[in-house]
Amino acid sequence: KAGVTQTPRYLIKTRGQQVTLSCSPISGHRSVSWYQQTPGQGLQFLFEYFSETQRNKGNFPGRFSGRQFSNSRSEMNVSTLELGDSALYLCASSLDGTRTEAFFGQGTRLTVV
Amino acid sequence: GEDVEQSLFLSVREGDSSVINCTYTDSSSTYLYWYKQEPGAGLQLLTYIFSNMDMKQDQRLTVLLNKKDKHLSLRIADTQTGDSAIYFCAERMWANDYKLSFGAGTTVTVRA
Repeated sequence: KAGVTQTPRYLIKTRGQQVTLSCSPISGHRSVSWYQQTPGQGLQFLFEYFSETQRNKGNFPGRFSGRQFSNSRSEMNVSTLELGDSALYLCASSLDGTRTEAFFGQGTRLTVV
Repeated sequence: GEDVEQSLFLSVREGDSSVINCTYTDSSSTYLYWYKQEPGAGLQLLTYIFSNMDMKQDQRLTVLLNKKDKHLSLRIADTQTGDSAIYFCAERMWANDYKLSFGAGTTVTVRA
């Protein structure tokens, strides 16, 4: 059974640009959550999607957005990149996003220069 | 992660037991998780415990939950060099809470 797949693994962008990250959940899982990991702030929740609907959102500016497709794959987009957006972005997959386990992908390492 | 607290570092000798501690502040937490992160990697789910349980054992891992003190611990028996990593405690506060709140992580170093 394939795990959670995040692409790309590494990304370097310039300030002001935008970026799109992709996450393919485990087959049969319908919930996808996104987290940002930085040395200073640790792991912070961005948002969660289930059946193409955003159910919960963390305290991030509107530059951070996401969506989920009918096959449960999810993308997150960051517009007008800032240096502080440099982080490891992790995606978590679970059956329904509530009581069950959440499995994480390897993450996308975004560096903004 | 301000609702979940962990000590930052733990050094243990190979073959000894490691105990990683975590405290959480919300008594309504339903599920509590332990994740492991190795350098350059994502988070690996080690185990989780439901709030109506006191203990859960899975091979070398033992999770203890003290709801009264809001204290969670992870014991790793016979610690090996491959156990060197950052360990995160996380809580899901209620059944329909769609996010996990993480602690800052405990860096475990296994010395020979």
